[in-house]
Amino acid sequence: AQSVTQLGSHVSVSEGALVLLRCNYSSSVPPYLFWYVQYPNQGLQLLLKYTSAATLVKGINGFEAEFKKSETSFHLTKPSAHMSDAAEYFCAVSGQSGYSTLTFGKGTMLLVSP
Amino acid sequence: KAGVTQTPRYLIKTRGQQVTLSCSPISGHRSVSWYQQTPGQGLQFLFEYFSETQRNKGNFPGRFSGRQFSNSRSEMNVSTLELGDSALYLCASSLGRGAKLGSDNEQFFGPGTRLTVL
Repeated sequence: AQSVTQLGSHVSVSEGALVLLRCNYSSSVPPYLFWYVQYPNQGLQLLLKYTSAATLVKGINGFEAEFKKSETSFHLTKPSAHMSDAAEYFCAVSGQSGYSTLTFGKGTMLLVSP
Repeated sequence: KAGVTQTPRYLIKTRGQQVTLSCSPISGHRSVSWYQQTPGQGLQFLFEYFSETQRNKGNFPGRFSGRQFSNSRSEMNVSTLELGDSALYLCASSLGRGAKLGSDNEQFFGPGTRLTVL
């Protein structure tokens, strides 16, 4: 069984500030972990993924995430927020030995103020 | 390469009716998954099809069904619509190589179909 917990349904930052979106997972098998972004009225776009290679994963648009097995975490960060980063972010887990399904967290809405 | 397409983009139905949603995967992708997105429940997995066979199923009532055609296009059907079925329905395609999502088998999402049940 797998689950994902995203802490904070809404996170507000100022433009230029550090972005930190938290994700903790639970998985009975070694996980694959993903971060997706969703802009209004659009589908989900993959930001980055962890697939048991490097624990620090770099994605698109300057985002990165670090897999920490001891903390069962996969937090998403970006050094400097941009107005265009305002969107909803979803963390997801898939078991390495499972089928092609994703279990998503509830999502975190990132608000960026000027 | 064209992305995942879903039709229609918006749909309004009344309680008791049925609805069929369509998804065309990326060319060469053989796996299609469906998800329901609502403000209260978030993103929930409905089912996954691979080579015309349902390979995995989420925890939804039998009113939700799907199928996949030989060209990998997929449809999902919801019968006897309820108000709670109002949601964004997302389709995602992947190569489906093996059974695992990984470095060469990520899911690409379509824009979704917004279903409103009145």
